[in-house]
Amino acid sequence: DTGVSQDPRHKITKRGQNVTFRCDPISEHNRLYWYRQTLGQGPEFLTYFQNEAQLEKSRLLSDRFSAERPKGSFSTLEIQRTEQGDSAMYLCASSFVRVPQYFGPGTRLLVL
Amino acid sequence: ELKVEQNPLFLSMQEGKNYTIYCNYSTTSDRLYWYRQDPGKSLESLFVLLSNGAVKQEGRLMASLDTKARLSTLHITAAVHDLSATYFCAVDSLTQGGSEKLVFGKGTKLTVNP
Repeated sequence: DTGVSQDPRHKITKRGQNVTFRCDPISEHNRLYWYRQTLGQGPEFLTYFQNEAQLEKSRLLSDRFSAERPKGSFSTLEIQRTEQGDSAMYLCASSFVRVPQYFGPGTRLLVL
Repeated sequence: ELKVEQNPLFLSMQEGKNYTIYCNYSTTSDRLYWYRQDPGKSLESLFVLLSNGAVKQEGRLMASLDTKARLSTLHITAAVHDLSATYFCAVDSLTQGGSEKLVFGKGTKLTVNP
């Protein structure tokens, strides 16, 4: 399977804990995006990488959130001191230039 | 700030009927995408509309784009149960830094009843 992969698929954590999600984009795609989707809503943009450079961060991305893409390959999204409001599906997408963004299966986070 | 509105948000229809989902957006863009999402799943790309007047068809679904009216439509012909899903339109937005991001509508949850 050469699509976008995400790990883990599900994560349950207690409030205040840190969590980290991984995204592996389609191999030839140089652009990587993170989105967050809450129940009944469309995905909302969080951040964007072109190769290893993080070029854009949404206002939704508070200081507790950090994303990296070392060497322009996989990316990680870390949430520190999780809050119940962080419960959502975290989606990763990748693209090459401006072709459609291909989405991964998502990581569903539940903060208790 | 770019806003994308879809309507209706919920659509219940009988098999064999036709219907149209509308997507309006607030600022100029020449790229619009339609995605399908099944419950608990990720998003599947359906259509990419890249210019004014673009029309794309796949099976019972047809999408069109009118950039002057800032309107896209997703038309469903002779609906079948397998089309039950949530459909999102998304508009390509260039940020001030030149980055691209998609701005999504809230989605239309389609239920096709036998």
